[in-house]
Amino acid sequence: AQSVAQPEDQVNVAEGNPLTVKCTYSVSGNPYLFWYVQYPNRGLQFLLKYITGDNLVKGSYGFEAEFNKSQTSFHLKKPSALVSDSALYFCAVRDMGSGAGSYQLTFGKGTKLSVIP
Amino acid sequence: DAGITQSPRYKITETGRQVTLMCHQTWSHSYMFWYRQDLGHGLRLIYYSAAADITDKGEVPDGYVVSRSKTENFPLTLESATRSQTSVYFCASTESSEYTDTQYFGPGTRLTVL
Repeated sequence: AQSVAQPEDQVNVAEGNPLTVKCTYSVSGNPYLFWYVQYPNRGLQFLLKYITGDNLVKGSYGFEAEFNKSQTSFHLKKPSALVSDSALYFCAVRDMGSGAGSYQLTFGKGTKLSVIP
Repeated sequence: DAGITQSPRYKITETGRQVTLMCHQTWSHSYMFWYRQDLGHGLRLIYYSAAADITDKGEVPDGYVVSRSKTENFPLTLESATRSQTSVYFCASTESSEYTDTQYFGPGTRLTVL
């Protein structure tokens, strides 16, 4: 079974400072990893994904994430936070080895990011 | 407009009533999904569909029924609503290609069961 953990329910960061939202995963095979963002009263929007290749993945709105296989982590980062980055962030994993149901994503519980002006 | 839409956006119903939430996508994506979002649980998969007339259970299927007679539509029915089904429901879709499997989400339906 695949699982995702987001250890922080909330992250607070000052505007202009770097931000990190943490994610660790567990899969039996090779992982596909995703980050989604949800703004209030909206659906989830895709930010970035790791399939294979470079461990540093660049995505939308200046976000990037680093895949670390040995630590089974996929932390989301941004060099300089904006107030408009305040939202709920979800990490998700898909296990490439799970066969017919492998298009299922398993989501973490979400991390609320607050960027303070 | 192209994309994925859900209706209604808000619904209040009573315990025991049947409720159907609609989902429509214009991309002809093969896969469609229903999730519920609850505080402290994140998103949990209810049902998914790999193609028309092919559906399967997710993590929390009890109390829900789905159908998929057409590729573009994936309705979710609560046959006899319970208060525990009060939640925000999201529909999503994706292509079936190995390298383009990003899921695209609808705006959600906020359901309240009294």
